[in-house]
Amino acid sequence: DSGVTQTPKHLITATGQRVTLRCSPRSGDLSVYWYQQSLDQGLQFLIQYYNGEERAKGNILERFSAQQFPDLHSELNLSSLELGDSALYFCASSVAVSSNSPLHFGNGTRLTVT
Amino acid sequence: SQQGEEDPQALSIQEGENATMNCSYKTSINNLQWYRQNSGRGLVHLILIRSNEREKHSGRLRVTLDTSKKSSSLLITASRAADTASYFCATDEGSNYKLTFGKGTLLTVNP
Repeated sequence: DSGVTQTPKHLITATGQRVTLRCSPRSGDLSVYWYQQSLDQGLQFLIQYYNGEERAKGNILERFSAQQFPDLHSELNLSSLELGDSALYFCASSVAVSSNSPLHFGNGTRLTVT
Repeated sequence: SQQGEEDPQALSIQEGENATMNCSYKTSINNLQWYRQNSGRGLVHLILIRSNEREKHSGRLRVTLDTSKKSSSLLITASRAADTASYFCATDEGSNYKLTFGKGTLLTVNP
């Protein structure tokens, strides 16, 4: 058990809808990362937060947004959903702000857009 | 875009054999990490090797790093059926922040 909790485990929704994915990092970790995993694109880095502040941005669409709250949990909001957004969304946490410490991954949220 | 590229894409071996997976990357790095993923589950960190290190061991795992060739290898010795998983390398592209993953090697260890 990594200590990272993601909810919900599964989400099925229709095109055009909006969903929120939630992540609670491991106790003591200040950094939260979001990744999208699909068969064709592999594991894509979306965004990183450290102690409430955005630190790095990757291939995150404008329809997607994220934030990290004062209690360090994070939410990823996906709007105007398209079929191609169907994927596994992972949250990971680490103790450091930089990339020189291991990431601890949750078990992901599987999003299916129909 | 993928920074790290694993090779081979898939590897099938018998229990007891050694498995070697390779990772090549494009830009300079501060460190390189290896992760494993069981089907549909979250990734699990295996080992981190810094750019000034050449080799690192952890149990049955041995990782090498050649920064002049921009490549790394992961060796799993005396493999077990439980080692069946996808293995990913991840690099920071010298960014200090984001970690970029390759597409992984699917390792199947047959009992």
